[in-house]
Amino acid sequence: GAGVSQSPRYKVAKRGQDVALRCDPISGHVSLFWYQQALGQGPEFLTYFQNEAQLDKSGLPSDRFFAERPEGSVSTLKIQRTQQEDSAVYLCASSLGSGGGGLTQYFGPGTRLTVL
Amino acid sequence: DAKTTQPPSMDCAEGRAANLPCNHSTISGNEYVYWYRQIHSQGPQYIIHGLKNNETNEMASLIITEDRKSSTLILPHATLRDTAVYYCIVEFWGTYKYIFGTGTRLKVLA
Repeated sequence: GAGVSQSPRYKVAKRGQDVALRCDPISGHVSLFWYQQALGQGPEFLTYFQNEAQLDKSGLPSDRFFAERPEGSVSTLKIQRTQQEDSAVYLCASSLGSGGGGLTQYFGPGTRLTVL
Repeated sequence: DAKTTQPPSMDCAEGRAANLPCNHSTISGNEYVYWYRQIHSQGPQYIIHGLKNNETNEMASLIITEDRKSSTLILPHATLRDTAVYYCIVEFWGTYKYIFGTGTRLKVLA
């Protein structure tokens, strides 16, 4: 079956522009995660959804970052008034379950955001 | 949050076993250890995970020490396509978010 897909794969924005990044998780997956990966670094957690509920947004770096998953499937990560430090690869992952640990996350290919 | 420590880079000869170590000394008793790898410009790919016992699948073996403070990923017969960055990850209990380290860049040499 299809894996996690993300769009666009590449996004170039001018400083101050708003951007929206989309994630289509694997069908039926309850949990959805967003991570940010700076160049040469490991991914860092941003936020977590269980169905449509955002249960953890502790990793969002500022109030310019906003994520939603209104119907419990597709998710959008929005960044307002982009800054150069927002340049990174944004990864989405989904997992089938929602509790108990040992939940394997399946990652999408990521969206590479470059802010000029 | 439990953190992991890995060597920044390793080389391995093609056809030989690659043994990648990881320290996770602050791991909690109910937190899993995961291993993923990432090839340039792709998302992380799942390899294996475990809690207390050693695990094996078609890709690799995972050896976890009895005190759970460290683990080793074993690729039994490395190929050139195994060249990648390998991440040892602790799954945070509660929201199940992954806490990535900086990874080990494995280069398999012909």
